Amino acid sequence: SYDLTQPPSVSVSPGQTASITCSGDKLGDKYAFWYQQKPGQSPVLVIYQNTQRPSGIPERFSGSNSGNTATLTISGTQAMDEADYYCQAWDSNTGVFGTGTKVTVL
Amino acid sequence: EVQLVESGGVVVQPGGSLRLSCAASGFTFDDYTMHWVRQAPGKGLEWVSLISWDGGSTYYADSVKGRFTISRDNSKNSLYLQMNSLRTEDTALYYCAKAILTGYYSAFDYWGQGTLVTVSS
Repeated sequence: SYDLTQPPSVSVSPGQTASITCSGDKLGDKYAFWYQQKPGQSPVLVIYQNTQRPSGIPERFSGSNSGNTATLTISGTQAMDEADYYCQAWDSNTGVFGTGTKVTVL
Repeated sequence: EVQLVESGGVVVQPGGSLRLSCAASGFTFDDYTMHWVRQAPGKGLEWVSLISWDGGSTYYADSVKGRFTISRDNSKNSLYLQMNSLRTEDTALYYCAKAILTGYYSAFDYWGQGTLVTVSS
């Protein structure tokens, strides 16, 4: 089966940049997607097709994907960005989510 | 406004069956692939199944293959998940999700609020 690995946690100071990685075999050959989930809420799509932001998602969210690693970058992190983040990709007709990263804004 | 409203989650005994429903509105339902995604309490997200716009293609996670069946009724703008031979590890919040693009393998741009399935004796 295909696995996507994320760091369990990332801490960032307000206004600084947070980078969340997602590692998988030849992930760069696939599209990577990113979701934000706050406690008690449904997930929200923040990045699709590696770099695209859905309507309504702030410009401070950006994505990249190359080699074995996709990265979600939050520039100028705000307190409201504190949440769990999950990457996702498709492999052999199966959706695969990453292990999830808790972003804490200190 | 796109809305996805799941229903049908209850407490069921191991080995039991259950059918979840998802009522969709605010978009052209039969243009899009639809998905079920679940989240066990305190755990991460797990993709469960997808169904093509016309119901002609379906795919499942290995963990549910042979036990769960996804279906849709485009005349009723509804998505379903028939769950048989339920196990305790199927306990989760089940989300209905819409694909952002018209292909099979895209991201999910709208999610419902989820319906809780608890498998316990």
